[in-house]
Amino acid sequence: AQSVTQLGSHVSVSEGALVLLRCNYSSSVPPYLFWYVQYPNQGLQLLLKYTSAATLVKGINGFEAEFKKSETSFHLTKPSAHMSDAAEYFCAVRKAGGTSYGKLTFGQGTILTVHP
Amino acid sequence: EAGVTQFPSHSVIEKGQTVTLRCDPISGHDNLYWYRRVMGKEIKFLLHFVKESKQDESGMPNNRFLAERTGGTYSTLKVQPAELEDSGVYFCASSQGLQETQYFGPGTRLLVL
Repeated sequence: AQSVTQLGSHVSVSEGALVLLRCNYSSSVPPYLFWYVQYPNQGLQLLLKYTSAATLVKGINGFEAEFKKSETSFHLTKPSAHMSDAAEYFCAVRKAGGTSYGKLTFGQGTILTVHP
Repeated sequence: EAGVTQFPSHSVIEKGQTVTLRCDPISGHDNLYWYRRVMGKEIKFLLHFVKESKQDESGMPNNRFLAERTGGTYSTLKVQPAELEDSGVYFCASSQGLQETQYFGPGTRLLVL
């Protein structure tokens, strides 16, 4: 069974500060990992994904994440927060094969607040 | 190209009533997924269609939920009869291939009173 844990349901940063959203996963088979963002009144939008290529993945809007197998982590970072980054962020895992390998398993979500 | 669309955006019904949610995937996407987020909880998988066939329905909570995808295009999710615990946001997503990115719709916010 797969699971995802996002540490911190709320993260607050100042504009221009580093953004770090934590995600740890467990999976019995090699996983694919994703970060999605949901802006108010919108659907989930893919920020970036790891699919067993480079361990450092760059996404949209200046975000990146590093897959660390030894730590079972896939933390999301952005060097400098912008007000427009305020949203809810979801980490998700999907199996790379086997049964039920289409479905995404999500973490609880982290609401990012950016204050001036 | 139009994204995934869902209808209605909001629905308020009373316990015991029936509600039908609709999802129109991106054109050409064979894979269609339903997810649900109950307030305060994580987004959870409900089921997965490949064209008109149910590939995986392991997340469907009980037999009050019925999903269909006639002709392999749009999908409907019917809840009958609705219970209080069915309240939440129902998301639909689609992908072209199984390994491809899942694109999500804006969700339907269901409130059962």
